[in-house]
Amino acid sequence: NAGVTQTPKFRVLKTGQSMTLLCAQDMNHEYMYWYRQDPGMGLRLIHYSVGEGTTAKGEVPDGYNVSRLKKQNFLLGLESAAPSQTSVYFCASSYSSLWGYEQYFGPGTRLTVT
Amino acid sequence: SQELEQSPQSLIVQEGKNLTINCTSSKTLYGLYWYKQKYGEGLIFLMMLQKGGEEKSHEKITAKLDEKKQQSSLHITASQPSHAGIYLCGADTSENYGGSQGNLIFGKGTKLSVKP
Repeated sequence: NAGVTQTPKFRVLKTGQSMTLLCAQDMNHEYMYWYRQDPGMGLRLIHYSVGEGTTAKGEVPDGYNVSRLKKQNFLLGLESAAPSQTSVYFCASSYSSLWGYEQYFGPGTRLTVT
Repeated sequence: SQELEQSPQSLIVQEGKNLTINCTSSKTLYGLYWYKQKYGEGLIFLMMLQKGGEEKSHEKITAKLDEKKQQSSLHITASQPSHAGIYLCGADTSENYGGSQGNLIFGKGTKLSVKP
């Protein structure tokens, strides 16, 4: 069981370039999430998905798009990268239980936009 | 909107000492999660609390949710270097089961250092 994996681990982009971050989970979880973590700002939700083919906006969705074509994958796209998008990006997945939503996190992608 | 405030922001303790981290909400907490993050890594789930007055323990870590469900504390007994990291609390944004769809909000974290 690999859990939640993220590709790539590190990336440097120039302003205006585009890229896609891939998140994959092998736990058959329905829910998947993309967060960004910035110093002093904590963890903020960008987009999330409650099932294959569905996506929803989180707290800070501007400048990002997502797709969930397969249950196990959740893609985060940056169409035109900006320096403000320099951050560490975390993907997470969870299932719904009587006890709430225990989220499993990936190791993160460190993105720098110059 | 709901906000979570964690205190202290950072903490340095001597190995073997006890410590407490607090998480205070501006609104009622319907599900409170504690996570630990090692530097440069993802978050690891520690515990989840739902009921007022609830208390859970795992090894040397105890988490409590107060009766009014607006504050949670995380207590570490006899701290060890392996406890070092960033502790984050997260909360469900909906009182209805399934309403938040796992859409959690997080505090900014408490950075814990343990001196050997």
